Order: sequence, then structure tokens, then C-alpha cells
Amino acid sequence: DQQVKQNSPSLSVQEGRISILNCDYTNSMFDYFLWYKKYPAEGPTFLISISSIKDKNEDGRFTVFLNKSAKHLSLHIVPSQPGDSAVYFCAASAREGGGADGLTFGKGTHLIIQP
Amino acid sequence: GAVVSQHPSRVICKSGTSVKIECRSLDFQATTMFWYRQFPKQSLMLMATSNEGSKATYEQGVEKDKFLINHASLTLSTLTVTSAHPEDSSFYICSASAFPLAARTDTQYFGPGTRLTVL
Repeated sequence: DQQVKQNSPSLSVQEGRISILNCDYTNSMFDYFLWYKKYPAEGPTFLISISSIKDKNEDGRFTVFLNKSAKHLSLHIVPSQPGDSAVYFCAASAREGGGADGLTFGKGTHLIIQP
Repeated sequence: GAVVSQHPSRVICKSGTSVKIECRSLDFQATTMFWYRQFPKQSLMLMATSNEGSKATYEQGVEKDKFLINHASLTLSTLTVTSAHPEDSSFYICSASAFPLAARTDTQYFGPGTRLTVL
């Protein structure tokens, strides 16, 4: 039962254009969402996060949008750069009882930026 | 930023032996550390949550006697894979909750991972 879904295994975008990575979730208890970037044989690197009380969070070239009613979030990268080529994971947590909780990850989307 | 290290980065062992993986938070204190594993082309799966000074909480389906977790200090957690078998071969990644560096304790910073190969 995949609670966090990234339905696009890969995405190819031309350098300079906008990259849009999508993520859907099923668990209505999730209230905090994160995006991680991962290179092969390395640990994930935190990119950006968003709380369920917001619908948008921006940090430089990265913007995350959250649509709670649709249980959908997306990561926008603009402009896309060659160094952005990596696997992007969407993750979510349900803060039950407070404190730090383990994350539930999607399967990832391999973003390829073409020159 | 918060830095998490793991050691070793790669280990090859014989079936039946035990392997210890260390996870350290280098520039912050982590009250909570997490252990994940990732199979090729799969997602990261949470194995257990490790709180300093208390027993780890394991996810359903994860054998606690096989994957021993010790969180002895605020900067160190260890995962020991006991009596390793080829099916335990995987990429093991730890993360640490960087409270109060992060805006919320759920933001986790990940180590570089350990590639375990059991022959």
C-alpha cells in the first residue's frame, strides 16, 4: 500500500526550462511534506518542505505547492540546471503524538536535464 | 548545515557474520535517529526509529533481533545486522532529526549511506 506516490519514474527537461515533479498521497494524517534530492550511492539531500497549513513555500529556484483537497503536491524547479539531474523523492510525515517521526517516501522521479 | 556521517560506506561480508554500521551527527545533537534501507530502484523504507537512551521502535516486518539498534549518545546510533544473509544486501541509510536546527523536528538530515553486500 503506497501512501506516497510518484507516478512518473523519470522526467526529461531542457536546461533553462521549468521542471515540475508531482507527488500524491493517500494518508489524510500526513501534515508535513518534504522533497529530497538523491544521487546514486549517496544519502538524500533535503531540498524544501511544506507544512499542511500552507499551500506554497519557496526557496530560491525551488517552490513546493500543496493542494490538500487533492492530496497532491508538486515541486517546481526554475530555471532547471544540469546539476539538478538526480532522483527526487517526495516524503511525508504524520505527526502523531508529537516529536520526530519517520518519513514515508515515494519511489522517486529521475529528473534528467538536457543541455 | 547539519552533517550526518556513516561508517563504513561499503562493506562486504560472508553469510552468517554480523556487521555494524555507525551513524553520527557531526555538528548537532540528534535526539532521534532513523534507519532506512533502499533496494535497487526502490523507495527508502523506514526500518526503525532510534531515540537516545531508549529502545528503538521497529516498523512492522522488521526483525528487531536481526537488526540491533543502539542509540547510546546524542550523536551516535549504530545498526548491527546480525547473522547476515544475502537477502540483507541493501543500501542502509541513517538520518537524524536536527532539532532545534530545523524548523520542525520532522526535517531529517541523511547520512551518505552504507552499501552492504553479503556473499
